[in-house]
Amino acid sequence: DVKVTQSSRYLVKRTGEKVFLECVQDMDHENMFWYRQDPGLGLRLIYFSYDVKMKEKGDIPEGYSVSREKKERFSLILESASTNQTSMYLCASISPGQGTEAFFGQGTRLTVV
Amino acid sequence: GENVGLHLPTLSVQEGDNSIINCAYSNSASDYFIWYKQESGKGPQFIIDIRSNMDKRQGQRVTVLLNKTVKHLSLQIAATQPGDSAVYFCAENMHYGGSQGNLIFGKGTKLSVKP
Repeated sequence: DVKVTQSSRYLVKRTGEKVFLECVQDMDHENMFWYRQDPGLGLRLIYFSYDVKMKEKGDIPEGYSVSREKKERFSLILESASTNQTSMYLCASISPGQGTEAFFGQGTRLTVV
Repeated sequence: GENVGLHLPTLSVQEGDNSIINCAYSNSASDYFIWYKQESGKGPQFIIDIRSNMDKRQGQRVTVLLNKTVKHLSLQIAATQPGDSAVYFCAENMHYGGSQGNLIFGKGTKLSVKP
């Protein structure tokens, strides 16, 4: 059974803290993505990576960075958390040669206070 | 800019009726489209997909129709059940730089099924 696992379901952080959201997939997929999901705005792409140590900005990269040191792990980093980064964060992975269906993690609900 | 959007943000149907959820896209270069279902508290789950060389694809109780002329995508759910209540997203596959599989999502339609 394919699996994308996000390290936390719920997080509460203070303004200014550095926050790490971890995502691991066990499908040997090349492409991994981070989205945030907000009411009325749907899923918006923050960053994606199509290979180890490679990264590309999505639609809303400001205030975020990412790390892809290993193929199975894609980390989203909030260098200095702000209240407008309170959101649901979803990680997904895709294997380009297999129809490009994306598999999602269960999501991390981040609250910045 | 190009985008994927949904005509109706909410849809309420009677149990047993058929549901139709619509989606408009504007990126003519997209060649692959997916419908996802997201239940409360969970990540999106794949329902059905369709490639741009097809007009129709059927799954179990679901059918996706693609009209490339008007850049329109629809998801039809037959005999809608309470378990179908969820938010439904369409997504298009955009090729970005040298990579594949960059999915752009619409804003979602909430389907509510009345018993």
